[in-house]
Amino acid sequence: SAVISQKPSRDICQRGTSLTIQCQVDSQVTMMFWYRQQPGQSLTLIATANQGSEATYESGFVIDKFPISRPNLTFSTLTVSNMSPEDSSIYLCSVALERGLAGNQPQHFGDGTRLSIL
Amino acid sequence: QKEVEQDPGPLSVPEGAIVSLNCTYSNSAFQYFMWYRQYSRKGPELLMYTYSSGNKEDGRFTAQVDKSSKYISLFIRDSQPSDSATYLCARGGGSNYKLTFGKGTLLTVNP
Repeated sequence: SAVISQKPSRDICQRGTSLTIQCQVDSQVTMMFWYRQQPGQSLTLIATANQGSEATYESGFVIDKFPISRPNLTFSTLTVSNMSPEDSSIYLCSVALERGLAGNQPQHFGDGTRLSIL
Repeated sequence: QKEVEQDPGPLSVPEGAIVSLNCTYSNSAFQYFMWYRQYSRKGPELLMYTYSSGNKEDGRFTAQVDKSSKYISLFIRDSQPSDSATYLCARGGGSNYKLTFGKGTLLTVNP
């Protein structure tokens, strides 16, 4: 597996502000992902971040709200912009360590960033 | 219909019990399944993954997939208090590597 570190681990923010979450991996990986985990809800994929290309966003998530950077093979950031209380959630990054058949890959997760918006 | 359905519990069992955790899925196009364990204030930890129907065993854990009924299960034998966590099932596949998760089942193993 890999060691996946996220910063900050938690934060409390004012509405209307933005927060950038960092994800650092101890090995080079092609595929990195950002998820949101809201209370009582399934882990939901926000976007896939590949180095050297634009992030691919899932339905319901847009780049203006969740801009993502992927400057190299070990690092990515997710920004939650213009935050409102509805953005209070846990945000997790994950990586796929191996290429597999037809994209069937286990993913490994960081411990997440617990974000509360006042 | 949600793609992956999972009973959220909570489920409480005595130490040493056999635990059965279950999920159903709706899209038979993807047949790659995972189980994750998530302790409080931690990220999901990959427990097991399997491609096809049948059983896969790893220590006290057995993952079972029944493609005919679109049913996946995780069995925990000789459950321990340290198994107390939320268990998430997921299915994967497709060109974008997307995983679709169930909501998770909260398990408590009482000493």
